[in-house]
Amino acid sequence: QVQLQESGPGLVKPSGTLSLTCAVSGGSISSSNWWSWVRQPPGKGLEWIGEIYHSGSTNYNPSLKSRVTISVDKSKNQFSLKLSSVTAADTAVYYCASWRVAPGDAFDIWGQGTMVTVSS
Amino acid sequence: AIQLTQSPSSLSASVGDRVTITCRASQGISSALAWYQQKPGKAPKLLIYDASSLESGVPSRFSGSGSGTDFTLTISSLQPEDFATYYCQQFNSYPHFGGGTKVEIK
Repeated sequence: QVQLQESGPGLVKPSGTLSLTCAVSGGSISSSNWWSWVRQPPGKGLEWIGEIYHSGSTNYNPSLKSRVTISVDKSKNQFSLKLSSVTAADTAVYYCASWRVAPGDAFDIWGQGTMVTVSS
Repeated sequence: AIQLTQSPSSLSASVGDRVTITCRASQGISSALAWYQQKPGKAPKLLIYDASSLESGVPSRFSGSGSGTDFTLTISSLQPEDFATYYCQQFNSYPHFGGGTKVEIK
């Protein structure tokens, strides 16, 4: 059973860069799944940030595209998120998730989430 | 971007009640819709994919229906563990979630 685990700093200064990593265990990052980041501000709904395939192909939410970079490290079976020029509005729980391509496209596996606060 | 509008935003119900949550897309998305359940402090859990297919391991009291722009999630007999927030999500374009429906104890 594939499991995902996020890691990274819980506090980032305004105008800085948020960096998180998602470790994939129990399966290969080179499977047919896409690997995504989703965030949830406190008390609010879910927002998809972007995704990456093991080949390195990426897709990003247009509203965040200018600030987001998602990368993959197949040797470590993990993928990473960088979000630049952060503000308080980027304070959220950040989840990594697996996008299952078939059968039935959906986010089938989620990490437990990691809270990131943007504050000086 | 395709927007999803969920209604109601919250509801109160009793154990054993039949509960229906609706999700309306701003344009047709065929059956490209999933439903998730989220409990406080936890990650979302996939319930339904392709609008009406039950994810493996999910109780059969959960069902989904609809296509095009109008979708529903139904819980046939609400159980204590079902009190949570439910989100619809489309993937016709990039993935986008509805605003959520919080199901509370009456």
